[in-house]
Amino acid sequence: EADIYQTPRYLVIGTGKKITLECSQTMGHDKMYWYQQDPGMELHLIHYSYGVNSTEKGDLSSESTVSRIRTEHFPLTLESARPSHTSQYLCASSDFPASHNEQFFGPGTRLTVL
Amino acid sequence: AQKVTQAQTEISVVEKEDVTLDCVYETRDTTYYLFWYKQPPSGELVFLIRRNSFDEQNEISGRYSWNFQKSTSSFNFTITASQVVDSAVYFCALSEVGGGNKLTFGTGTQLKVEL
Repeated sequence: EADIYQTPRYLVIGTGKKITLECSQTMGHDKMYWYQQDPGMELHLIHYSYGVNSTEKGDLSSESTVSRIRTEHFPLTLESARPSHTSQYLCASSDFPASHNEQFFGPGTRLTVL
Repeated sequence: AQKVTQAQTEISVVEKEDVTLDCVYETRDTTYYLFWYKQPPSGELVFLIRRNSFDEQNEISGRYSWNFQKSTSSFNFTITASQVVDSAVYFCALSEVGGGNKLTFGTGTQLKVEL
């Protein structure tokens, strides 16, 4: 059973607000990931981290930023939310190579920007 | 660059029917991993199976089975005697060993199982 948590599960906010989506895992995994998923669409990697103080941009360009100050915590921040940011955001972690590339996913945050 | 294609966007079946979800992948690497994930309406991605590129043995787990064929770059997923609880979006994904463990997902197949 994977232990990866995301808060909030649902968020509705107005344009221009700063928001932070939280992601935490209790498995001690070094690698963590953020994916963006529009309704009914595929997942796109937007950020990833190989460990503390490591952050990289993913395949899909995103206006969001991430930080990795602690192993277990990988928050995603939008400085000024816009309607185009409306999407589901999924966080994942992995202890590759031990897990042979398997990623464990959190429940996701559904963000709506009005 | 790696790519995963799930040509079936939506499949509807009646309960107890068998259904196969197709997955075709592209990669230049000789070592890679293939995955299937299930995404129920709640939104969470549930891991179903992992297969590495050196293991072409087919696998069966209860009503689920997977057919991996390197010759056709396919990794198909069959559900036998489908149930309403199988209704979900199913994603096939590919990870190259040298790719920093990043997953490339297909576009998903929406499976609807009706009574």
